[in-house]
Amino acid sequence: GQQLNQSPQSMFIQEGEDVSMNCTSSSIFNTWLWYKQEPGEGPVLLIALYKAGELTSNGRLTAQFGITRKDSFLNISASIPSDVGIYFCAGQLNTGNQFYFGTGTSLTVIP
Amino acid sequence: DAGVTQSPTHLIKTRGQQVTLRCSPISGHKSVSWYQQVLGQGPQFIFQYYEKEERGRGNFPDRFSARQFPNYSSELNVNALLLGDSALYLCASSEYPGLKQYFGPGTRLTVT
Repeated sequence: GQQLNQSPQSMFIQEGEDVSMNCTSSSIFNTWLWYKQEPGEGPVLLIALYKAGELTSNGRLTAQFGITRKDSFLNISASIPSDVGIYFCAGQLNTGNQFYFGTGTSLTVIP
Repeated sequence: DAGVTQSPTHLIKTRGQQVTLRCSPISGHKSVSWYQQVLGQGPQFIFQYYEKEERGRGNFPDRFSARQFPNYSSELNVNALLLGDSALYLCASSEYPGLKQYFGPGTRLTVT
């Protein structure tokens, strides 16, 4: 299957700081999705990206579809304690409808 | 509007048994996908269904099967359970295959 690598694997930040994480692959994707998952719950869709170079915001969250179509980035501004969770990227190839998920970035916000 | 619902929430089974998990998609969504999420990893694709037909299958053994009903709800069946099948099973729905997916809360399966 496709390998989507997310970095960093984990982050420990102070409340109020900005956060940046990314997702990379060796394959070209035509859709990128970003999810947040909290313990014991299903992933919650944050942002969807459909075009190379696209920049989309959802409140304090901003995500970008990399121009090479092999990567995507998520930024969180002015982090708050409720941002804690695991963030997953998911990509869809041109050749099918399946979404491949990344390895996740665990975010801890210290008040 | 109600989101994706899954039942049961938790399930404990013994090795060799069979299990059926259920999913109801968001109203208006015609495609359902199933994922397995092992602790510490991202979700792994199992199946995708659209209009009662299988549209995609991940790298899982034939012990795993699924179906979609006329009302677009879906069931995932796993036969001859193994300890390694213990995981969170997630259902996601979308309007059509390939569009953004919304997940349910999952069913936590424990095989002893």
